[in-house]
Amino acid sequence: IQLTQSPSSLSASVGDRVTITCRASQGISSFLAWYQQKPGNAPKLLIYTASTLQSGVPSRFSGSGSGTDFTLTISSLQPEDFATYYCQQLNGYPPSFGPGTKVDIK
Amino acid sequence: EVQLVESGGDLVQPGGSLRLSCAASGFSFSSYRMSWVRQAPGKGLEWVANINQDGSEKYYVDSVKGRFTISRDNAKNSLYLQMNSLRAEDTAVYYCARVAWIQLSFCDYWGQGTLVTVSS
Repeated sequence: IQLTQSPSSLSASVGDRVTITCRASQGISSFLAWYQQKPGNAPKLLIYTASTLQSGVPSRFSGSGSGTDFTLTISSLQPEDFATYYCQQLNGYPPSFGPGTKVDIK
Repeated sequence: EVQLVESGGDLVQPGGSLRLSCAASGFSFSSYRMSWVRQAPGKGLEWVANINQDGSEKYYVDSVKGRFTISRDNAKNSLYLQMNSLRAEDTAVYYCARVAWIQLSFCDYWGQGTLVTVSS
């Protein structure tokens, strides 16, 4: 299963609403996770099963979608949210990642 | 506190071997599946391998099948990745990660990674 993400990068300002899309090459039900990675750091789990917020993750992050099209939304971008975001499909092996979306400061 | 600490990364020549280790603490290691995920310099994440709780089930990405072996020692709370016949394209930071659910391979805790460089 191949994953694509769009856009590959975006520039945004603090307070902006940001939406990242992940598309699977075939239906994966709700078997999708989202991660955040900052330079030099390990990935951090944000959302699993498409829309379940991981414990401790701020509520400004939300996920939606099922089948082949998924969305990660940051409702009001904060300075600590500038990072690269990856989706990962969980529908069997290999549990592949998308290519990533880099969010930087406008 | 859950902690995963990788070690063993190094500079190795093409065709060489390396064994990575991951020391786990702060949780019941034998109750969780574990993963290795890698990231080439400046590139995205690539899942490498999974192992189930007792080591009886192992899965690999196609590019490492027959060359890499994932294993674990529950008595030592440790995860391993034996890497043989290394290639330049195996150069990456290798992360050890805990698989959060039995049925789904997403990872809720990650180590800080260990760098493997394959070069002559």
